[in-house]
Amino acid sequence: SQQGEEDPQALSIQEGENATMNCSYKTSINNLQWYRQNSGRGLVHLILIRSNEREKHSGRLRVTLDTSKKSSSLLITASRAADTASYFCARREAAGNKLTFGGGTRVLVKP
Amino acid sequence: KAGVTQTPRYLIKTRGQQVTLSCSPISGHRSVSWYQQTPGQGLQFLFEYFSETQRNKGNFPGRFSGRQFSNSRSEMNVSTLELGDSALYLCASQMGGRETQYFGPGTRLLVL
Repeated sequence: SQQGEEDPQALSIQEGENATMNCSYKTSINNLQWYRQNSGRGLVHLILIRSNEREKHSGRLRVTLDTSKKSSSLLITASRAADTASYFCARREAAGNKLTFGGGTRVLVKP
Repeated sequence: KAGVTQTPRYLIKTRGQQVTLSCSPISGHRSVSWYQQTPGQGLQFLFEYFSETQRNKGNFPGRFSGRQFSNSRSEMNVSTLELGDSALYLCASQMGGRETQYFGPGTRLLVL
């Protein structure tokens, strides 16, 4: 079972719109990472944010982290049809080295 | 650098059989982790190997095992396959710390 919850589970938007998804967790983390998965294939790393960081940007991606609320958000700006995928947050626990994944958000970008 | 490779990409087995999956990490990466992905349970951590030693283990039965060789290549084995073992098995490699993991394309296992 996952120990990170993602919200919403699914998202449908028009090309050009922004997509926002959220991730919550329960324990202390070392860092939090976001991954993309296209249709049952391998995961592609998007961005990593450390526990002492509050915001990070990478191209059209913006990630925020609020450790007091134990939550993170991923914003994809000016979405494209190619952004259609499942997005997962994964937390690196403060103790140990394993990544614990959330349930994912399925994003559909309609052209 | 070449990415993480996994073989085979697809596999069909029957209940009771055993299976071995292989993962070759990115050159220079010493840590290999394995994950199982199913529609019902999502992505679940199986185990991690670092320098030929199991460093972390998830909550899976003993039928799931793994090993890592001196060249960092890793194998995982599932014995006495059950229908519920049908899944996408993903391996990921990293340098060795707590940073980014790079995933392979996965092995899709179907147990009939």
